[in-house]
Amino acid sequence: AQKITQTQPGMFVQEKEAVTLDCTYDTSDQSYGLFWYKQPSSGEMIFLIYQGSYDEQNATEGRYSLNFQKARKSANLVISASQLGDSAMYFCAMREGPSGGGADGLTFGKGTHLIIQP
Amino acid sequence: DVKVTQSSRYLVKRTGEKVFLECVQDMDHENMFWYRQDPGLGLRLIYFSYDVKMKEKGDIPEGYSVSREKKERFSLILESASTNQTSMYLCASSKLAGGGDTQYFGPGTRLTVL
Repeated sequence: AQKITQTQPGMFVQEKEAVTLDCTYDTSDQSYGLFWYKQPSSGEMIFLIYQGSYDEQNATEGRYSLNFQKARKSANLVISASQLGDSAMYFCAMREGPSGGGADGLTFGKGTHLIIQP
Repeated sequence: DVKVTQSSRYLVKRTGEKVFLECVQDMDHENMFWYRQDPGLGLRLIYFSYDVKMKEKGDIPEGYSVSREKKERFSLILESASTNQTSMYLCASSKLAGGGDTQYFGPGTRLTVL
């Protein structure tokens, strides 16, 4: 079974609209972390936002927020007021186990290709 | 700002060649990682290291080895390159503890094996 599922392979959104990118995860750990990365056509992975499993508040970073629903194992990324420069691949990722507990790598979803239309 | 650099953006090699991909980070991070990225498969972890001279296998280590002689540098080695190793290779680094273990990535190396 996939540990990270992103069900939207591609999305088209009008500029200035809000966007929700879906991510569900599967883990039996109580302590874990969830990340979103953006990958523009240049190829670099850009860190956007982080949510720890014990964080009570949803994470926010500027126009990005993470809608964390622990019981549903869902960690959707919300981009408010989308811009043309938001067009990119977006990846959801998970670290299992506590922060600082080891150097295990992240498990990534397959990504969502977001295209913002003028 | 964290900076992770990779030695080449694009690389073309022939089957059977030994290939070195170099990664350097300037933030004194303990952890370093190598991933490969293929269309439709996302990123998959090849190897990681949590200290100098230490290494651990990731999900797809076959056909690869790594070297970490200095804290800031992590090398990925393809002993005998094959066409199925044509891919985008991404290096990342993170602190050992704190900060959510956020991994910061380099720009990637697109390797083509002919």
